[in-house]
Amino acid sequence: AQSVSQHNHHVILSEAASLELGCNYSYGGTVNLFWYVQYPGQHLQLLLKYFSGDPLVKGIKGFEAEFIKSKFSFNLRKPSVQWSDTAEYFCAARSGNTGKLIFGQGTTLQVKP
Amino acid sequence: DAGITQSPRYKITETGRQVTLMCHQTWSHSYMFWYRQDLGHGLRLIYYSAAADITDKGEVPDGYVVSRSKTENFPLTLESATRSQTSVYFCASSSGAGINNEQFFGPGTRLTVL
Repeated sequence: AQSVSQHNHHVILSEAASLELGCNYSYGGTVNLFWYVQYPGQHLQLLLKYFSGDPLVKGIKGFEAEFIKSKFSFNLRKPSVQWSDTAEYFCAARSGNTGKLIFGQGTTLQVKP
Repeated sequence: DAGITQSPRYKITETGRQVTLMCHQTWSHSYMFWYRQDLGHGLRLIYYSAAADITDKGEVPDGYVVSRSKTENFPLTLESATRSQTSVYFCASSSGAGINNEQFFGPGTRLTVL
């Protein structure tokens, strides 16, 4: 079955620390990958997406992710986090042409000032 | 310029009652989706719709009913609410299902079933 797995459920960092959140997917064939962010009390917003081409994708607010096909991974990174990055982060994948997204369990990031 | 809206934003109901959550989008997007968000599970797809009068089950459809008589609306009904349906519900829409189509999410409805 198709699935998305996020390894880190709760991450606590100090400001200026580097961030890497893991995401693995189990899909065959062509896959589109996404990272969404949900700030406290708000709805999901798209951080970045990978469809094809350059496997290093840059998103908003200084986030980037790297698609490594051989590892079925799409890890999210940010060199220096800020207190305002405190949020929940979701990795999602889509294959086929139904438009359906499969989400990972989410990672709660807490950044201490 | 409302985009995608959900109502109500908060709802408390009792076991056995029927509840309808509303979703409205102003973009004329073909596709609409309902997800529920639960701790430890992320978001799980309940139902989706590719166009008016076309709906299909997602990952967790049991206990829910949807309809899509108009492109812009996609109501979700809990016919007889249960405590396990306490959750945050998100509606989303996209203009298509192709590789360049992004899903846009509504603000969510927090439902508590007592």
